[in-house]
Amino acid sequence: GDSVTQMQGQVTLSEDDFLFINCTYSTTWYPTLFWYVQYPGEGPQLLLKVTTANNKGISRGFEATYDKGTTSFHLQKASVQESDSAVYYCVLLNYNQGKLIFGQGTKLSIKP
Amino acid sequence: NAGVIQTPRHKVTGKGQEATLWCEPISGHSAVFWYRQTIVQGLEFLTYFRNQAPIDDSGMPKERFSAQMPNQSHSTLKIQSTQPQDSAVYLCASSRQAYSGNTLYFGEGSRLIVV
Repeated sequence: GDSVTQMQGQVTLSEDDFLFINCTYSTTWYPTLFWYVQYPGEGPQLLLKVTTANNKGISRGFEATYDKGTTSFHLQKASVQESDSAVYYCVLLNYNQGKLIFGQGTKLSIKP
Repeated sequence: NAGVIQTPRHKVTGKGQEATLWCEPISGHSAVFWYRQTIVQGLEFLTYFRNQAPIDDSGMPKERFSAQMPNQSHSTLKIQSTQPQDSAVYLCASSRQAYSGNTLYFGEGSRLIVV
């Protein structure tokens, strides 16, 4: 079945560092992929969405593209700020079942 | 505009008691989803409704858990005979169209603690 894997459970960076979060996916359909972000005490919210391979999704300084060859979908940001501290979820749309499949999440902590 | 509203925000219940969680989706949204969030399992899909009809409950534990959507303005998740392993944050989300490719808007969640 469809699945999403985030191997990085936690990432700790300093302000202005470069962020790169890795995600791989598995699906038999054309993938639609998302990054959702969850701040403490809140529900997840959409950060960005990518529906076409090699197209870049951009939002709030974050970028993501997916590569069909390697079935990878990475999130990156050039310069992180303390306000970016949150949990980031890689998410795959399962078209067949009409629901979202969430990865395990990557907790980003930014040292001031 | 109000977002997805979930009540209660926190609930402590004794083992074996019943817990009911409420969700009010964003007005005009036709799809409602329930997820469960724990540290160990992360975000797990439970069930979803499209235009109030149950579409997929494949994530629901077969015993003790049930969900309903009696009208377009609210959905409930009921857990009978609660067990400590039911302790989690239960998240409700809604989307504008009955298609999960649309953005899901989550509520803040209901934190259930079973003692």
